Parts: sequence; structure tokens; C-alpha cells
Amino acid sequence: AQSVTQPDIHITVSEGASLELRCNYSYGATPYLFWYVQSPGQGLQLLLKYFSGDTLVQGIKGFEAEFKRSQSSFNLRKPSVHWSDAAEYFCAVGGDTGTASKLTFGTGTRLQVTL
Amino acid sequence: KAGVTQTPRYLIKTRGQQVTLSCSPISGHRSVSWYQQTPGQGLQFLFEYFSETQRNKGNFPGRFSGRQFSNSRSEMNVSTLELGDSALYLCASRSQGGNTEAFFGQGTRLTVV
Repeated sequence: AQSVTQPDIHITVSEGASLELRCNYSYGATPYLFWYVQSPGQGLQLLLKYFSGDTLVQGIKGFEAEFKRSQSSFNLRKPSVHWSDAAEYFCAVGGDTGTASKLTFGTGTRLQVTL
Repeated sequence: KAGVTQTPRYLIKTRGQQVTLSCSPISGHRSVSWYQQTPGQGLQFLFEYFSETQRNKGNFPGRFSGRQFSNSRSEMNVSTLELGDSALYLCASRSQGGNTEAFFGQGTRLTVV
């Protein structure tokens, strides 16, 4: 069965500093990978996705992620964090049914940004 | 284009009651999935509907059910509510059954007292 691990429950960075959020997945075939962001009391907003092709994917709000099959990782990065990036970030994997449906989510990483 | 719309946004119900939540997907999207989010269990997949048929189902008891209408709108129903059903219920829509990303609504916050 597919699974996702986000090892960091809570991360604090200073505004303007770089950010990397870790995500490791377990899946037998080529996974479909996603990063979502959630502000308090809100739904999930898609930041970026990986289906195939170029392993470095660009997303919205200046985020990028790199798929590394050898490490089963899909880490999210941003070169310079803004205070508005404070939120909870979820990595997800789909593909259990051969499609991108039935997403399995990690437990999330809460990002705090200090000014 | 309007996003995924979930109604109502907030609900308070009593144990033993039943509840129906509604989700209107993005126009043209035919796949609707439901997720439950709780502090203890995180985000868990409930089920997916595509063209009025349930295609996938998560590990939830039969008290949780859903349906999809011909206009792709979906409802989920929870019967005999338990305190543990208190959660944020999220609906997501996708354009088709293939490899496309899911877009989420704002969710319905259900509190069972």
C-alpha cells in the first residue's frame, strides 16, 4: 500500500530564509506526487504536482519540488520565504488505483515564519 | 471559473442523528472525492465518484455513504453520528478519471455533540 512520511511536524524559519520541507513516499510503481497547502480553517490548495517527465517541478507562489526516485523523496523548496507562507503543508501520493485518485496524505508540516 | 463549493460550511449535530453534506465540483469536472480530516487521523480518503458511480472506497464503516448526480454534484451522508465523526470533511473534484490533479473545496466543519 502507498504511504507518505513527512518527518518534520513543525518548522520555523525567518522571513527571507530558504525553506525545504521533506517528503518520503512508499509506492511500488511510478507515483503521482502532490504538495498541498492549508491555511487554518480552509481547504487544500494545490502547490504543484509530479506525474512524469522532468523531475524538478515548478509550482505556484515560487515553490518547487524535486522527485528523486532513488531516495523515494519529493521535497518541497522555496528560496525565500514570505510571512504569508505560514500554513500547514501536505505531501500526497496517488496512483494506488492506477490513476491520481485516492490520495494518501502525509501528516503535514506546520510552517511558522518569524519576522 | 468557480471553484469547488461545499455546503454548509459548519454543522452541529447530536449523536445518533444523520447528516448530509453537499459538494458542487468545478464546472466540467466529473470526478468527486471525499476526505475526512481530523487532528488524530489526519486526512483520510472516504470515496470517489465518477459519472455517478462509486469507483474507490476508503476504510470507513457503512455509516458513511455517498452519491453523485447526473450534473456531477455529490452528497455524502453519515448516519448514526458518533462523537468521533467530528471532523473537517473535504470534497475534491478532478476533470476526469485519469491522471489529473484534485482541487479541493473549503470543507464542511462537522461537530457532533
